[in-house]
Amino acid sequence: DAGVIQSPRHEVTEMGQEVTLRCKPISGHDYLFWYRQTMMRGLELLIYFNNNVPIDDSGMPEDRFSAKMPNASFSTLKIQPSEPRDSAVYFCASSRGPEQYFGPGTRLTVT
Amino acid sequence: KQEVTQIPAALSVPEGENLVLNCSFTDSAIYNLQWFRQDPGKGLTSLLLIQSSQREQTSGRLNASLDKSSGRSTLYIAASQPGDSATYLCAVPETSGSRLTFGEGTQLTVNP
Repeated sequence: DAGVIQSPRHEVTEMGQEVTLRCKPISGHDYLFWYRQTMMRGLELLIYFNNNVPIDDSGMPEDRFSAKMPNASFSTLKIQPSEPRDSAVYFCASSRGPEQYFGPGTRLTVT
Repeated sequence: KQEVTQIPAALSVPEGENLVLNCSFTDSAIYNLQWFRQDPGKGLTSLLLIQSSQREQTSGRLNASLDKSSGRSTLYIAASQPGDSATYLCAVPETSGSRLTFGEGTQLTVNP
């Protein structure tokens, strides 16, 4: 299995632009998680899905952030408009049981 | 709200030394505890998962223990190697299969 796949691996954009991060979970996994990692706040959960349905989005910072999971093999995290404070590494993870498997992350820089 | 703390924040040891990383959590009603490794600029790699009914879990040179009543877990690394250098994080879920709460991590450096 290829593991969790994320794209792009790096993204540099200007403030105000729309950013879309993509994730392909491990086949057969029914949970998908989006995390953000910064030096200041460490790893924090943004949102997670079960069977493509959002279960808990309480970690989403504000309305500028949105996430979708149109099918079992694809999810997106969108930021519109982006701000410099959104600069972080965004991780996608998936699971079928208690153990979560993480993707390599997308390093986002907003200038 | 669950809080997870890891001590020490950083650790530097000579190659070959046995070492212990500590993780504590405030709410002992956990389903499991997971240890991860993160290399610089990379994602997280799951090392060990201990179910709440277990006391220990072993994988190669790694041994993780769990004491729910005291809210503690330890990760023991035997005969450390330079390749073990990384940040080690522990995490607990709020409910089985749901959001993980992470500790701040212990940055380990094993010197040749």
